[in-house]
Amino acid sequence: NAGVTQTPKFQVLKTGQSMTLQCAQDMNHEYMSWYRQDPGMGLRLIHYSVGAGITDQGEVPNGYNVSRSTTEDFPLRLLSAAPSQTSVYFCASSYSVVGGTEAFFGQGTRLTVV
Amino acid sequence: GIQVEQSPPDLILQEGANSTLRCNFSDSVNNLQWFHQNPWGQLINLFYIPSGTKQNGRLSATTVATERYSLLYISSSQTTDSGVYFCAVVDDMRFGAGTRLTVKP
Repeated sequence: NAGVTQTPKFQVLKTGQSMTLQCAQDMNHEYMSWYRQDPGMGLRLIHYSVGAGITDQGEVPNGYNVSRSTTEDFPLRLLSAAPSQTSVYFCASSYSVVGGTEAFFGQGTRLTVV
Repeated sequence: GIQVEQSPPDLILQEGANSTLRCNFSDSVNNLQWFHQNPWGQLINLFYIPSGTKQNGRLSATTVATERYSLLYISSSQTTDSGVYFCAVVDDMRFGAGTRLTVKP
């Protein structure tokens, strides 16, 4: 049981490049989400999904796209990377949001945009 | 959205000391969780505690949902307890800014 797996762990991009951060979970969780963590701050929600085919925006969605074609996978796409997107990105999953189940986090992806 | 405030922002302890970390939230919540982010950046689940009290070894947590706060207690602190402690309102997917704990030998 791998839990929540994020790849890659580290990435350096040039301004304007695009890339996809991968997130997969093997717990059959309906709810998945992406956060970014900037130095000295808590995590801020980028996008989330309550099930396959359903996504919605969080607190800081600009510059990011998501899709949810399967229950297991929830990739995060940076369309045109900017230095302001330098951050650590975390993916999380839980069985649901309402009704009380705990969230599990991946190991994080440290992204630097130069 | 719900506002989540943690205090204190920083805490320095000698090994063996006890501490209490606080999390206030601005509205009623159904789900609250405490995490520890270790010095390597990993987020570790400590407690899922929408209400009541739970204990796990030297750590315990209490949430008083009607008064909109949660407390995390660390007893007999060890250097391995160092890191940042976050509370998160899972309903609203909001994190507090964290308490940075440093335990000195």
